[in-house]
Amino acid sequence: GENVEQHPSTLSVQEGDSAVIKCTYSDSASNYFPWYKQELGKRPQLIIDIRSNVGEKKDQRIAVTLNKTAKHFSLHITETQPEDSAVYFCAAKFGGSNYKLTFGKGTLLTVNP
Amino acid sequence: SAVISQKPSRDICQRGTSLTIQCQVDSQVTMMFWYRQQPGQSLTLIATANQGSEATYESGFVIDKFPISRPNLTFSTLTVSNMSPEDSSIYLCSVVSSPISYEQYFGPGTRLTVT
Repeated sequence: GENVEQHPSTLSVQEGDSAVIKCTYSDSASNYFPWYKQELGKRPQLIIDIRSNVGEKKDQRIAVTLNKTAKHFSLHITETQPEDSAVYFCAAKFGGSNYKLTFGKGTLLTVNP
Repeated sequence: SAVISQKPSRDICQRGTSLTIQCQVDSQVTMMFWYRQQPGQSLTLIATANQGSEATYESGFVIDKFPISRPNLTFSTLTVSNMSPEDSSIYLCSVVSSPISYEQYFGPGTRLTVT
């Protein structure tokens, strides 16, 4: 069935370091891959996304890369700051699904000052 | 992106009762969804709210337990029926605004506690 695996489940970095979160998906027809940031008690916030016809996308300190052959995509955060601390979720829109997303289990990122 | 509101923001309910959660968007949207997020967990899709017709439920969720309405392109309700403590969770609506964009945005959520 449709599945998204996310690793690691927790990640602790020092302020200024980079953080990388990886996800793999099961359906080779998947064509849209968003990332969400959820701060404690808040709603999930869309921070970046990528479509299957693009290999990489950047937005300031965050970037997402996609490897369709290997069926995995990654979130990269550079020059991390304490305000980057949150739970990050990857998701995938599987081929044929009507805008539906399947989410990974989440990564708790802690940026230590 | 669309402005999404939910009511109530939180509630404490007794087992056996039902609660209806409202989701209002400030503009017409293509798709509306309902999710459940149990404490410390990921987001699980309950159903797709279809405008003017019955919702499409995901495996493990049934209409009798989670009836959904979507009378127009800006509003939807989710009812949690015959509640038990296992229904304690955050319920979120989400929307896809444009048919050419897959971007999905979430409402602020409703925190439900069943005692």
